[in-house]
Amino acid sequence: EADIYQTPRYLVIGTGKKITLECSQTMGHDKMYWYQQDPGMELHLIHYSYGVNSTEKGDLSSESTVSRIRTEHFPLTLESARPSHTSQYLCASSKTGDLNTYEQYFGPGTRLTVT
Amino acid sequence: KNQVEQSPQSLIILEGKNCTLQCNYTVSPFSNLRWYKQDTGRGPVSLTIMTFSENTKSNGRYTATLDADTKQSSLHITASQLSDSASYICVVSDRGSTLGRLYFGRGTQLTVWP
Repeated sequence: EADIYQTPRYLVIGTGKKITLECSQTMGHDKMYWYQQDPGMELHLIHYSYGVNSTEKGDLSSESTVSRIRTEHFPLTLESARPSHTSQYLCASSKTGDLNTYEQYFGPGTRLTVT
Repeated sequence: KNQVEQSPQSLIILEGKNCTLQCNYTVSPFSNLRWYKQDTGRGPVSLTIMTFSENTKSNGRYTATLDADTKQSSLHITASQLSDSASYICVVSDRGSTLGRLYFGRGTQLTVWP
């Protein structure tokens, strides 16, 4: 079982609210990622970080923002939630090493519903 | 365009039976291919990772094969159990960046009936 945690696991919130999805890992991994996944669809990378104070946008455009002030913590924020943000958000981490076999460990995910 | 295609989209089998899931990819340059198991409402968990030089790898009742020439992979599950019910995702990594970008398939939803 990977040591990567996400809270909350489920969130139902009204349109226009600001929300922060938490992600923490205790493995000392330098790289962290946020993915978005709709039911029956593939995971899409929306943000990633190489390390502290490093954040980049992923393949899928997202209105969310991220920060990386501490190695173990990679929160995702939506300033004004909309129904189109309804999805599952998965956090992952990996350590720098052999690119051929580095492992990404996933958290349990946050199921977000915006009404 | 880098893509990962999986088949079938869904599969129902009886407990104790074997099954094989397929994955075709166009990702280039190829680095490695992984199979993940994702239980409903959970994050994916890695089953196997194979580089281009490996053509088979086992993890208990799971055996993955890779043909880097035809860009195809399969995941064989032996003596299925009810707990095998999950989505199985094929993921291919490229060597084109220091990030080692992952390309995800949509998964095969496996249901094992008693």
